Amino acid sequence: KQEVTQIPAALSVPEGENLVLNCSFTDSAIYNLQWFRQDPGKGLTSLLLIQSSQREQTSGRLNASLDKSSGRSTLYIAASQPGDSATYLCASFDTGKLIFGQGTTLQVKP
Amino acid sequence: DAMVIQNPRYQVTQFGKPVTLSCSQTLNHNVMYWYQQKSSQAPKLLFHYYDKDFNNEADTPDNFQSRRPNTSFCFLDIRSPGLGDAAMYLCATSRSGGAGEKLFFGSGTQLSVL
Repeated sequence: KQEVTQIPAALSVPEGENLVLNCSFTDSAIYNLQWFRQDPGKGLTSLLLIQSSQREQTSGRLNASLDKSSGRSTLYIAASQPGDSATYLCASFDTGKLIFGQGTTLQVKP
Repeated sequence: DAMVIQNPRYQVTQFGKPVTLSCSQTLNHNVMYWYQQKSSQAPKLLFHYYDKDFNNEADTPDNFQSRRPNTSFCFLDIRSPGLGDAAMYLCATSRSGGAGEKLFFGSGTQLSVL
């Protein structure tokens, strides 16, 4: 059974810093890996989707990578801004459903 | 704009009093999902519909039921809410449930049980 883990649970950085969020999964035979953003008390917004055949995806200041052999994905945020403050969740597609990590709550301080 | 809409945004109910949460979508997607997310936890899938076919997760309590009267609407019924059912309930859709597809989420309904 696929398990998805995100460490750390919380992260605080000063504005302008480049940062990396981590996601680990136990079953390397994944179909895809998806990163979401969740603002407090809100739903999830899809950020990036990496298919199993891909190694990375980019959207603006965001870059997500996938390394199936090591069971890891990272979300790189360049030049962080206070508006990036949110919880970031990764999820692996497994047997017809998404398996989520618990998320990393990011705070970017002005 | 095409989207997934959940109503109400906040719902307060009493212990044991039935409650219904609603979700509608204008994406014309075949698959609709209901997730439960407790504070600081990962979203957990309760069940999903592929068109009219209902798929219940093995560990979803019997207290939770769902209805999908048509493509656009899906309801989550909690027959006898307990204090432990207080959570954010998220509705999501995907076009056909395939592995390469994105899921589109609504804004969620925050349920409180008094």
